[in-house]
Amino acid sequence: DGGITQSPKYLFRKEGQNVTLSCEQNLNHDAMYWYRQDPGQGLRLIYYSQIVNDFQKGDIAEGYSVSREKKESFPLTVTSAQKNPTAFYLCASTRGAPDTQYFGPGTRLTVL
Amino acid sequence: KNEVEQSPQNLTAQEGEFITINCSYSVGISALHWLQQHPGGGIVSLFMLSSGKKKHGRLIATINIQEKHSSLHITASHPRDSAVYICAVLGGNQFYFGTGTSLTVIP
Repeated sequence: DGGITQSPKYLFRKEGQNVTLSCEQNLNHDAMYWYRQDPGQGLRLIYYSQIVNDFQKGDIAEGYSVSREKKESFPLTVTSAQKNPTAFYLCASTRGAPDTQYFGPGTRLTVL
Repeated sequence: KNEVEQSPQNLTAQEGEFITINCSYSVGISALHWLQQHPGGGIVSLFMLSSGKKKHGRLIATINIQEKHSSLHITASHPRDSAVYICAVLGGNQFYFGTGTSLTVIP
């Protein structure tokens, strides 16, 4: 079965700690995306990558970092510089624009 | 400023009713997507449109490129249709998302 996996589903961290969210896809998609979802707001783009070893900042990249060393994997690190990290994080991928976006199940991060 | 506006924000319907959700956008786009998000948070893509109309089961999506407007219709609504419906447009290399319409269908 092809798809996108994100782990873990729920994550709790203490303030000031960096945390890395996993995103893996076996769809052979070139483009991958990280979004943040907050109550009452639309999804906001954090970072995206259209090809291995290349990525671009989205609208709210401050306090986040990513890497794209493999086509299948696009991990997101939430650093201690992110002022308000508690949110629902969604990873997505597409073959290339325009095309259907496939979403992972999401990771709900709570910073205590 | 939101590039994508949806209406209504919340919608409650009786089972069997015909439902319409609207989406207006302000950017040039190459495609528009309708997404469905269930309470657990997972998102599923329902449609991708660049023109005209698409139908899948009880769901119909239309787009008017000149008016920068799309509608999602649900015929014979059912409680299992209860979810948040999100309109997203692809402008350049980036997706822009509406804030979603929360639909509750009552038996």
